[in-house]
Amino acid sequence: AQSVTQPDIHITVSEGASLELRCNYSYGATPYLFWYVQSPGQGLQLLLKYFSGDTLVQGIKGFEAEFKRSQSSFNLRKPSVHWSDAAEYFCAVAPASGGSYIPTFGRGTSLIVHP
Amino acid sequence: EPEVTQTPSHQVTQMGQEVILRCVPISNHLYFYWYRQILGQKVEFLVSFYNNEISEKSEIFDDQFSVERPDGSNFTLKIRSTKLEDSAMYFCASSVTSGSQQSTYNEQFFGPGTRLTVL
Repeated sequence: AQSVTQPDIHITVSEGASLELRCNYSYGATPYLFWYVQSPGQGLQLLLKYFSGDTLVQGIKGFEAEFKRSQSSFNLRKPSVHWSDAAEYFCAVAPASGGSYIPTFGRGTSLIVHP
Repeated sequence: EPEVTQTPSHQVTQMGQEVILRCVPISNHLYFYWYRQILGQKVEFLVSFYNNEISEKSEIFDDQFSVERPDGSNFTLKIRSTKLEDSAMYFCASSVTSGSQQSTYNEQFFGPGTRLTVL
């Protein structure tokens, strides 16, 4: 079964600073990979996804993520954080072939942005 | 922009009581899901629903849970006899398809959640 680890429960950055949120997954083959964001009072919104091809994926709101097969990682990055980026971020993995397409989520990383 | 809505936003209930959580999926979507997140833990899949029947469910989704699409718009999760450990945020989601075709994975759109507190 697949699993996702987000090692950082909280991350605090200053507005304008760069950001990297870590995600490691465990799965027997290359899965589909996702990052979701949840702002307070809102549902989970898909930021970006990786299926195949270019390992650097661009998403909404200026986010990008890089799939590194050798490290089983899919870290989320943003070059300059805005105060509105403060939210909970979830990494998720789903099998890329056969069976269930239901994503397995990590525990989430809470991003705090200081002015 | 169409969105998934959920009611109520908060529900407080006594242990042993029945609760019904309601969701209105996006209107042209065919697949519906429930997830839950216990405070401080992962978002966990409960059940998926298509064509008026359950298509997949997790180990969590035992006999105390049921889902229904009572009319053309609502999708409900019923917990028959709530336990303290059912306290969690419950998310509804919907997608156009299940993503099981050769085409790209079908994005699930999530609602804002219902926070259930069992006392």
